[in-house]
Amino acid sequence: QVQLQESGPGLVKPSETLSLTCTVSGGSISSYYWSWIRQPPGEGLEWIGYIYYSGSTNYNPSLKSRVTISVDASKNRFSLNLNSVTAADTAFYYCVRHSQWRSLEYWGRGTLVTVSS
Amino acid sequence: QTVVTQEPSFSVSPGGTLTLTCGLSSGSVSNNHYASWYQQTPGQAPRPLIYNTRTRSSGVPDRFSGSILGNKAALTITGAQAEDESEYYCVLYFVGGFYVFGTGTKVTVL
Repeated sequence: QVQLQESGPGLVKPSETLSLTCTVSGGSISSYYWSWIRQPPGEGLEWIGYIYYSGSTNYNPSLKSRVTISVDASKNRFSLNLNSVTAADTAFYYCVRHSQWRSLEYWGRGTLVTVSS
Repeated sequence: QTVVTQEPSFSVSPGGTLTLTCGLSSGSVSNNHYASWYQQTPGQAPRPLIYNTRTRSSGVPDRFSGSILGNKAALTITGAQAEDESEYYCVLYFVGGFYVFGTGTKVTVL
């Protein structure tokens, strides 16, 4: 069974960079698309962007100027960097594996990142 | 800016049937949007229910079904149970590789 685990700081200062890593177990990162999704507490879900195992990416236009997603296939993990964060970036962040049918098949448990000084 | 709209809330009696919809601020939802549906309870990650408009994910009870109704994607729960009380989100895929979540529907079973 594929499992995804987010890791990274739970607290980030305003204007700094939020960095998270998703480690994949129970399956290879190869041949799949991988996304980051976020959800502010009490609000809805937002797609941040995806990366293919080969490294090609696509980002939500509303976040594109601040987001970088990268992959390290040798370590079976991928990462999210979101720069110039503000309180509006406080959210639960989920990493997700796509299915072949363009759906979000496997989800990590999520990690709360708070932006505060 | 593409907006995907869902009903804010829905109430259903146990055993009842409800249909949630997922529409576009401009245009119609089609099979080419590969609509998928997710159930989320408080404190949990979303659980996949339906993908590719109408295919149930593994382990999902057959009381959940997906379809296109008119110009919207739809999720129907037939014979609602207490454990179906959750938030439900749709996701649409757009040409160019973009995904947009719906606004979510809170379902109450009472």
